Amino acid sequence: AQTVTQSQPEMSVQEAETVTLSCTYDTSESDYYLFWYKQPPSRQMILVIRQEAYKQQNATENRFSVNFQKAAKSFSLKISDSQLGDAAMYFCAYTLSGTYKYIFGTGTRLKVLA
Amino acid sequence: AAGVIQSPRHLIKEKRETATLKCYPIPRHDTVYWYQQGPGQDPQFLISFYEKMQSDKGSIPDRFSAQQFSDYHSELNMSSLELGDSALYFCASSNMGGNYGYTFGSGTRLTVV
Repeated sequence: AQTVTQSQPEMSVQEAETVTLSCTYDTSESDYYLFWYKQPPSRQMILVIRQEAYKQQNATENRFSVNFQKAAKSFSLKISDSQLGDAAMYFCAYTLSGTYKYIFGTGTRLKVLA
Repeated sequence: AAGVIQSPRHLIKEKRETATLKCYPIPRHDTVYWYQQGPGQDPQFLISFYEKMQSDKGSIPDRFSAQQFSDYHSELNMSSLELGDSALYFCASSNMGGNYGYTFGSGTRLTVV
């Protein structure tokens, strides 16, 4: 079965500090895409960052970066210079190339402390 | 920029009633997806449509049906509602499948009483 595991139900970080959210996944396929989505209290899911499995280079979007370890099936999200607006649920997800659905993890609630 | 529009935003129904949720994707997006998110849960895939044809199906109950119309909007119909159907229902759209990420709507909060 294809699964996504987020082992940290909740994390806290001081404003301006760095935090890393963990995600592991399980698939026997080689062509897939990985994502981190943010769900703030307003509840709309927002794409944070995306990684193509065939690319070794880790994706970066401003303060957000990933550590993609394909052999270990690990896809962690690093948030640098954390801001109060980063407080939200963060979901890791993946999709197999050519399919039309995502598999989501159970989410990590991030709290940012002022 | 246009976003994914879902209506209604909130819906309260009684058990055994029927509900219809609507989704208007971003213009020129060719794929629509429906997800169900229970309280404190991760989103669960229900069904997707690519160019108005069903493209994938998840754990969607037989009481639920969905379709995509000629103008690309989609509707999720839920009949014989049960208390356990209370959830946030998201619609999302994308172009060329989901490889480049979805754009989600704000969701419809369905409460069954």
